[in-house]
Amino acid sequence: DTTVKQNPRYKLARVGKPVNLICSQTMNHDTMYWYQKKPNQAPKLLLFYYDKILNREADTFEKFQSSRPNNSFCSLYIGSAGLEYSAMYLCASSRDGTGVYEQYFGPGTRLTVL
Amino acid sequence: AQSVTQPDARVTVSEGASLQLRCKYSYSGTPYLFWYVQYPRQGLQLLLKYYSGDPVVQGVNGFEAEFSKSNSSFHLRKASVHWSDSAVYFCVLSAPNVGDNSKLIWGLGTSLVVNP
Repeated sequence: DTTVKQNPRYKLARVGKPVNLICSQTMNHDTMYWYQKKPNQAPKLLLFYYDKILNREADTFEKFQSSRPNNSFCSLYIGSAGLEYSAMYLCASSRDGTGVYEQYFGPGTRLTVL
Repeated sequence: AQSVTQPDARVTVSEGASLQLRCKYSYSGTPYLFWYVQYPRQGLQLLLKYYSGDPVVQGVNGFEAEFSKSNSSFHLRKASVHWSDSAVYFCVLSAPNVGDNSKLIWGLGTSLVVNP
């Protein structure tokens, strides 16, 4: 089973309110990723967990937080949503973070901030 | 610097026609290359991947891609497209770092429209 699941599929949030997105995988993959995707753009890596170690991209460091309570689950947390956060959020997992193995993507969560 | 270029933002073909989506990469070593597809209102799915060996790799749904080191290309092909192939296709490069973390380098995507 190469399924990555994401919840919810659609999320409506108010400006200034927090948002929490959930991802799970049952492939026992070491690495889990979160991407932000906007229309007509390539996916933008926000952060990733290699095992229990969190790596956040420099330009989004303060905007997104994450937790990984166990190997299967990973969350993406936005403390205070802004209009610019409206996007598709994609979770992915990979056997490890070396780039040798492909990433498996979930169906995405479409976040709309009003 | 590593980069991926998909020169065609949008390609329109008729159902049953052949297809080639172009991808050029820039990387000094031997890259790992992928094609991902995003169907409407869905997540990204892996079509095929190239690591080494035979430069022509087969993927799902009749897609194939050919790696060319001399041309720094990894073009995607399909002999006969179906309307359900309408989607956005991403060419992706990975520069593996064994023992370290590596990021994917994404092209901007090519939107394929198949007219029935």
